[in-house]
Amino acid sequence: NAGVTQTPKFRILKIGQSMTLQCTQDMNHNYMYWYRQDPGMGLKLIYYSVGAGITDKGEVPNGYNVSRSTTEDFPLRLELAAPSQTSVYFCASSLESSYNSPLHFGNGTRLTVT
Amino acid sequence: GQQVMQIPQYQHVQEGEDFTTYCNSSTTLSNIQWYKQRPGGHPVFLIQLVKSGEVKKQKRLTFQFGEAKKNSSLHITATQTTDVGTYFCARNTGKLIFGQGTTLQVKP
Repeated sequence: NAGVTQTPKFRILKIGQSMTLQCTQDMNHNYMYWYRQDPGMGLKLIYYSVGAGITDKGEVPNGYNVSRSTTEDFPLRLELAAPSQTSVYFCASSLESSYNSPLHFGNGTRLTVT
Repeated sequence: GQQVMQIPQYQHVQEGEDFTTYCNSSTTLSNIQWYKQRPGGHPVFLIQLVKSGEVKKQKRLTFQFGEAKKNSSLHITATQTTDVGTYFCARNTGKLIFGQGTTLQVKP
């Protein structure tokens, strides 16, 4: 199993551009999450999904959109990129709710907006 | 809010010294998870604590959950250079809300 795979690893965007961060998992996990991590800080939850077709906002959803058309994929869309979105983005998945299952993280996407 | 506060933010120790990080909440926690993130890496699950007063050990790591379920701690005995990284606690509300982490540096 590859686990949680994120692409790209690095990306530089100009202000106002848009992009999609890809996340796929091959563990048949129901729950998927997007976090962002600013330098020296903890992880902030952007969006999460409890299953295909279901998504919900986390702590910092503004400026982002997600979709969950399949169990495996959970892409994160940035529209009109802003410098405040410069961060490392981690996708994670868990078999069940985090009450019962630990999160498995991908290796992250480092995004710079200039 | 729902935040958990971790202290200290940074800790430098000599190899062989002990290390403790604390996680505090103003509200009762249903359960708490701990993760470790190596420099340049991604968070990796360490443990989940559920019961009041629970103590769990993993080799040199000891995890505690307070009696009131409002705080937790991670203690590392006799640190090694492989312990370097950032340790996060996360309150569990069905989704994880992370603390800001404690970054541990170990001097060989």
